[in-house]
Amino acid sequence: AQSVAQPEDQVNVAEGNPLTVKCTYSVSGNPYLFWYVQYPNRGLQFLLKYITGDNLVKGSYGFEAEFNKSQTSFHLKKPSALVSDSALYFCARPHGNNRLAFGKGNQVVVIP
Amino acid sequence: GAGVSQSPRYKVAKRGQDVALRCDPISGHVSLFWYQQALGQGPEFLTYFQNEAQLDKSGLPSDRFFAERPEGSVSTLKIQRTQQEDSAVYLCAASGSVTDTQYFGPGTRLTVL
Repeated sequence: AQSVAQPEDQVNVAEGNPLTVKCTYSVSGNPYLFWYVQYPNRGLQFLLKYITGDNLVKGSYGFEAEFNKSQTSFHLKKPSALVSDSALYFCARPHGNNRLAFGKGNQVVVIP
Repeated sequence: GAGVSQSPRYKVAKRGQDVALRCDPISGHVSLFWYQQALGQGPEFLTYFQNEAQLDKSGLPSDRFFAERPEGSVSTLKIQRTQQEDSAVYLCAASGSVTDTQYFGPGTRLTVL
């Protein structure tokens, strides 16, 4: 069973508008969840993670994510998108011996 | 070092050649991971080291793939007799534990012709 799912392929948003990238997770296992961003020809950069505690997690570059247990979701959000936020976003979850299981990724396109 | 480094950044190989990809992790990070990322896909786990011990190699796609980390720091992923389907970006990551963040290197883009 897939640990995380990113249901959308691409998210288009106008610059200055709120940005949401969706992620849902399977109920089994620990609910440790991560978001990474990948710019073209670059490795993955860590944005934020949920381990325990507050459901609202704040991360790098103005991003935040809310852990929602009832909806088994961990959507990534940013109040006001920038053109420079255009990139590939991955939700991930530890599986087995620490290895990360990634979603398929969401391409975010911020339109000027 | 400040971050995870990988070399080479780009590698072009002819089908049948052997290649070696290097990962230099963050100093003190005992856990090291290799992932394979095909075009347009998320990274897929290949293998995992804790210090010099290879604890999980279940993701290696065939016996042509071999990884080592002899002194618990630098790691090398070797692919023998490369095939076209091996073309991908190979990512290395380092972390402390299951709840610690994995920090990724820039990757090596392998193209097999």
